[in-house]
Amino acid sequence: GIQVEQSPPDLILQEGANSTLRCNFSDSVNNLQWFHQNPWGQLINLFYIPSGTKQNGRLSATTVATERYSLLYISSSQTTDSGVYFCAVGDSNYQLIWGAGTKLIIKP
Amino acid sequence: ETGVTQTPRHLVMGMTNKKSLKCEQHLGHNAMYWYKQSAKKPLELMFVYSLEERVENNSVPSRFSPECPNSSHLFLHLHTLQPEDSALYLCASSQAGIEGYGYTFGSGTRLTVV
Repeated sequence: GIQVEQSPPDLILQEGANSTLRCNFSDSVNNLQWFHQNPWGQLINLFYIPSGTKQNGRLSATTVATERYSLLYISSSQTTDSGVYFCAVGDSNYQLIWGAGTKLIIKP
Repeated sequence: ETGVTQTPRHLVMGMTNKKSLKCEQHLGHNAMYWYKQSAKKPLELMFVYSLEERVENNSVPSRFSPECPNSSHLFLHLHTLQPEDSALYLCASSQAGIEGYGYTFGSGTRLTVV
C-alpha cells in the first residue's frame, strides 16, 4: 500500500518564525489533504491539494505529484499554530492513508 | 463548530457496558467516516458510508457496530469493549466524487474503557 512519511516529527519555533513541513508518499495519488489538529483534538482541513499550489492567509501548500511530495509553509507563526499537522493521501475518495504527523510548538 | 457534531465529547464505560457514539453533519455531504486515533499511532479508518451504504470496513472487531440511518447521521455502537479500545473517536464527512473537497471532522469523542 501507499506509504506516507512526514518530516520533521517535531518542530519548536519562536513566534514570528517561518516553517516548512514535508510529506513524502510512495505512489501516485489523486487525493492529498493537509490537516491541523489543535491541542484539544479538533482536526481542521487546511488544504485539498493533489497537485499545484494553494495559499490561504499565512499558510500555503505545494504538491509536486510527479516527485511524490507535498510541502506546507507556515509564515509568521503564531502560538495558535501549535498542534499536529497531518498529511493524508489516497487513490480513492474514501481511503486516506495518514502520515504520523509533525508536532509543531510555537513559543511566545 | 465545523458543521460536524459529535456526542458525547467524553465517555467512560466499563467493559460490560453498551454505549453509542453519535455523529451528525449539516453540510449536505454524501459520505461519512469513523476514525480511531490512539496515542502514538496514525489515524485509523474504521468505517466509511457513502449514500448510507457501507463501502469500507477495515477489519474492525465486531464489538464496534456502525449504523447510518440517513445521510446526515452516523452512529457507532459499542459493546464489551477492551481497555485497548480507549482512544479518540473521530467522525468526518465529505462530498465524495467531487474534486477539491476535503474532509470535515467533528470534535471527537474521547473514550476511556475501564
